[in-house]
Amino acid sequence: DAGVIQSPRHEVTEMGQEVTLRCKPISGHDYLFWYRQTMMRGLELLIYFNNNVPIDDSGMPEDRFSAKMPNASFSTLKIQPSEPRDSAVYFCASTLSGFRSSPLHFGNGTRLTVT
Amino acid sequence: AQSVAQPEDQVNVAEGNPLTVKCTYSVSGNPYLFWYVQYPNRGLQFLLKYITGDNLVKGSYGFEAEFNKSQTSFHLKKPSALVSDSALYFCAVGNFNKFYFGSGTKLNVKP
Repeated sequence: DAGVIQSPRHEVTEMGQEVTLRCKPISGHDYLFWYRQTMMRGLELLIYFNNNVPIDDSGMPEDRFSAKMPNASFSTLKIQPSEPRDSAVYFCASTLSGFRSSPLHFGNGTRLTVT
Repeated sequence: AQSVAQPEDQVNVAEGNPLTVKCTYSVSGNPYLFWYVQYPNRGLQFLLKYITGDNLVKGSYGFEAEFNKSQTSFHLKKPSALVSDSALYFCAVGNFNKFYFGSGTKLNVKP
């Protein structure tokens, strides 16, 4: 089991550019979550999917953020246009059905720096 | 409002001494409670969970946590701390369709 795989590990971009973060969940997991971590705000849930369908995107900060899950093994989080305040570590996590009692499995994150 | 509180930003303890990292919660219904650990430049790793049953839950790396329903607390404990336990610890509560994470507590274990 390779775990949740995120790419890239680091991303540095200029303000206004489009950024795409990628995630491959653990095979067989049917829930996928995107989190953002900053010193000021801690861990924030952005969006989560169940069986590739977005269930709750109330944490997505604004329309500049979008997430897709075209199949069970791949998800993207896109920021367009990016802004310096988007600088953070973005985590993807997956788990099985009954997620209230099943632990989340996190990837190692993508550290995004927007200059 | 649903919330999870970790009242201490940082806990300092000497190696070999017992440690406690505090967590209290406020959620409706019967929550599922978790502890996670985060090492530098890594994602969160699951330590232990409470679903139902015994109030004392044992987890990975010698950690345990005590569920107290009346005090709505779920404190993380370890009888003898190791330097390698130094990390960021998160309490989390699962309820209905969401997880709620605490703000994290940095544990420093000094030799």
